[in-house]
Amino acid sequence: GENVEQHPSTLSVQEGDSAVIKCTYSDSASNYFPWYKQELGKRPQLIIDIRSNVGEKKDQRIAVTLNKTAKHFSLHITETQPEDSAVYFCAALGGGTYKYIFGTGTRLKVLA
Amino acid sequence: SQTIHQWPATLVQPVGSPLSLECTVEGTSNPNLYWYRQAAGRGLQLLFYSVGIGQISSEVPQNLSASRPQDRQFILSSKKLLLSDSGFYLCAWSPSPETEAFFGQGTRLTVV
Repeated sequence: GENVEQHPSTLSVQEGDSAVIKCTYSDSASNYFPWYKQELGKRPQLIIDIRSNVGEKKDQRIAVTLNKTAKHFSLHITETQPEDSAVYFCAALGGGTYKYIFGTGTRLKVLA
Repeated sequence: SQTIHQWPATLVQPVGSPLSLECTVEGTSNPNLYWYRQAAGRGLQLLFYSVGIGQISSEVPQNLSASRPQDRQFILSSKKLLLSDSGFYLCAWSPSPETEAFFGQGTRLTVV
């Protein structure tokens, strides 16, 4: 677990387009990769997660892909809608640490 | 089912005053507990985490302290608040460091 780099910090897309957010981690022992969505003034909530024994996971318009060799994972949102506008956080966890540390966040704006 | 309670929701405190934020979890035992701070428009900074009663790990040297007097109770304190302590404070719990974290509603603290 621990340090995760997240890019981009802000992302604006037109409604209906796709959005991709990428996170890179350094600890090869990481084995759990969650994504959280935080709407303005609200608490973060899990939207999708993936474990290291899986390369891709999909839930309707949201998908996460994991490349263990390159140590990066990405969040894909297709057919974006205005309600997708929020801040998204990733994390890379496991390896025996109890720290639950998040990436720096991506502010997604979906333009109508 | 498990629930997390955090209070108060908002707080305005003068510089130099003490602080006590409380978080309790229901419906589970021996949760991992976390305190985060989020400055306006910024990421989730891990302040403290606890894996058991009386076991507190501090991530960032600061004007704050944490305590876990009971299994499902996590308290964030300060003896003298600074202006820089203003922010959105979030408590969270997880069954293990490799599973979903559940956040409280947050406390918006303004130090004046």
